[in-house]
Amino acid sequence: RKEVEQDPGPFNVPEGATVAFNCTYSNSASQSFFWYRQDCRKEPKLLMSVYSSGNEDGRFTAQLNRASQYISLLIRDSKLSDSATYLCVVNSPTGNQFYFGTGTSLTVIP
Amino acid sequence: DGGITQSPKYLFRKEGQNVTLSCEQNLNHDAMYWYRQDPGQGLRLIYYSQIVNDFQKGDIAEGYSVSREKKESFPLTVTSAQKNPTAFYLCASSILRGGNQPQHFGDGTRLSIL
Repeated sequence: RKEVEQDPGPFNVPEGATVAFNCTYSNSASQSFFWYRQDCRKEPKLLMSVYSSGNEDGRFTAQLNRASQYISLLIRDSKLSDSATYLCVVNSPTGNQFYFGTGTSLTVIP
Repeated sequence: DGGITQSPKYLFRKEGQNVTLSCEQNLNHDAMYWYRQDPGQGLRLIYYSQIVNDFQKGDIAEGYSVSREKKESFPLTVTSAQKNPTAFYLCASSILRGGNQPQHFGDGTRLSIL
């Protein structure tokens, strides 16, 4: 079983739409969770960390559900510039490794 | 500016040749990592290092070697034993202590076979 699993999409949504991605992880002892954004042929860039109580950064909201072992990312009022691949990342319980999902592709359409 | 610098941006390897990818960081991070990304796929861990003069194999270490002689530097050598080296190589670093510390990435090296 993979450490981290994501729906690869693609998700094609109109501008202004709300879109949500989920990601499941296998190790219940994992402590740290992140969402990264990766543009085509570029390096991943940290979008936001995911905190136990959930957290929001502008149009982006991240949630953690420990009981079901998933994290989610909600994007409100989608912009064309949100088009990218979104990577779910989970830290190992020992903290010395990071496990990446394969990414979810989002295209925001005018 | 603080960050992670990878070089070169593009690299071409001939058959039987070893090539070395450079990764330097001035973030004073303890840990450094090398990943490989193939088209349409996720990141796979090649090697990581948590401290100078120590490193650990990741999931796909065969055909690769690393060194960590300085905290700031973690070069990756792609040896001739790696039969399918064409990929996007990403170096990352992170703080080890403090909890919830993310990784930061360099802008990558694209390696192709001539």
